[in-house]
Amino acid sequence: KAGVTQTPRYLIKTRGQQVTLSCSPISGHRSVSWYQQTPGQGLQFLFEYFSETQRNKGNFPGRFSGRQFSNSRSEMNVSTLELGDSALYLCASSGSGTENTEAFFGQGTRLTVV
Amino acid sequence: GESVGLHLPTLSVQEGDNSIINCAYSNSASDYFIWYKQESGKGPQFIIDIRSNMDKRQGQRVTVLLNKTVKHLSLQIAATQPGDSAVYFCAGNLTGNQFYFGTGTSLTVIP
Repeated sequence: KAGVTQTPRYLIKTRGQQVTLSCSPISGHRSVSWYQQTPGQGLQFLFEYFSETQRNKGNFPGRFSGRQFSNSRSEMNVSTLELGDSALYLCASSGSGTENTEAFFGQGTRLTVV
Repeated sequence: GESVGLHLPTLSVQEGDNSIINCAYSNSASDYFIWYKQESGKGPQFIIDIRSNMDKRQGQRVTVLLNKTVKHLSLQIAATQPGDSAVYFCAGNLTGNQFYFGTGTSLTVIP
């Protein structure tokens, strides 16, 4: 079974631009969560999608958004990029919608804003 | 906000010794916990999980202990190997599949 796939692995963007990151979950998994990882703040929850609906949302500004497609693939978008958005963005895939189960992470997308 | 803190940011052990990494959580409603291992340049790798109806769970060379009374969990790694060197995170659940993470403990195994 293929793992969680995130693309691209690396991105360099300029302040003010926008960016879209992609995540393909493990086959059969319907829940996709996104996290931001920085040295200072650690892993912080952005949002979770389940069956194309945002089910949970963390404390990030509206510049951070996401969506999920019918095949469970998910994208997250960050608009009007700021230097502080430089981070590793991780996507986690989970199978069950009703009870917590293992969440498996992808390798992440390393975003650098210059 | 919710927090899962770790008692030590770094831990060094001799190869072959046992390692114990501790974690304290704040949300009493959390009933599911996961330990992750993250190596440089990689995403977090699932190690072991435990639900709140258990006090202990064992895997291959790893054991997780959960003390709900003091909201504490620990990860024990037996016969630590150089390949175990990484940052270890504990995570506790909130609603849905939302997890909150600790800042991590960096484990260094000395050959």
